[in-house]
Amino acid sequence: NAGVTQTPKFQVLKTGQSMTLQCAQDMNHNSMYWYRQDPGMGLRLIYYSASEGTTDKGEVPNGYNVSRLNKREFSLRLESAAPSQTSVYFCASSEAGGGADTDTQYFGPGTRLTVL
Amino acid sequence: GESVGLHLPTLSVQEGDNSIINCAYSNSASDYFIWYKQESGKGPQFIIDIRSNMDKRQGQRVTVLLNKTVKHLSLQIAATQPGDSAVYFCAEKAGNNDMRFGAGTRLTVKP
Repeated sequence: NAGVTQTPKFQVLKTGQSMTLQCAQDMNHNSMYWYRQDPGMGLRLIYYSASEGTTDKGEVPNGYNVSRLNKREFSLRLESAAPSQTSVYFCASSEAGGGADTDTQYFGPGTRLTVL
Repeated sequence: GESVGLHLPTLSVQEGDNSIINCAYSNSASDYFIWYKQESGKGPQFIIDIRSNMDKRQGQRVTVLLNKTVKHLSLQIAATQPGDSAVYFCAEKAGNNDMRFGAGTRLTVKP
């Protein structure tokens, strides 16, 4: 099992450009999440999806959109990148939902995004 | 507001010693806690979790202690090794609310 995979690993954008971060999990998990991690701060939730076909806003959703393409894949899109979106982005998944009683989240390796 | 925090931003220990990393939380409704390890350039890695109906849980070389009275969580690492050097952070969850993460403590193990 690869667990949670993310692409790309690194990306540099100019202000105003758009891009999509891809995430996939092979653990048959119900829930998937997108976080950003900034220096000196804890992970902050951008969006999450409790099941295929559903998405909900987290703590910092502005400037982002998401798509739960199927149970395995959850993408994060920046429509018009801004320097404030320079960060490390992590995707995670968990069994939570669908009657599962565990909330443990498993993380991907991250995407390091720089917006110039 | 509610927060998840850590007492110390850095901790340096000698190889072979035991390490204790602390975490304070302020949401008395939190009922699930996780410790993660994050090595440089990598994603957070699950270490151990504990639910609020427990005070202590042990894993391989790690023990998590939960003191609900003072809202305090700690991670004990026995016989710390160089490979344990990383940032450790706690996370808390209250019911169906989102998981909230602390900023982390950097553990450095000196050979």
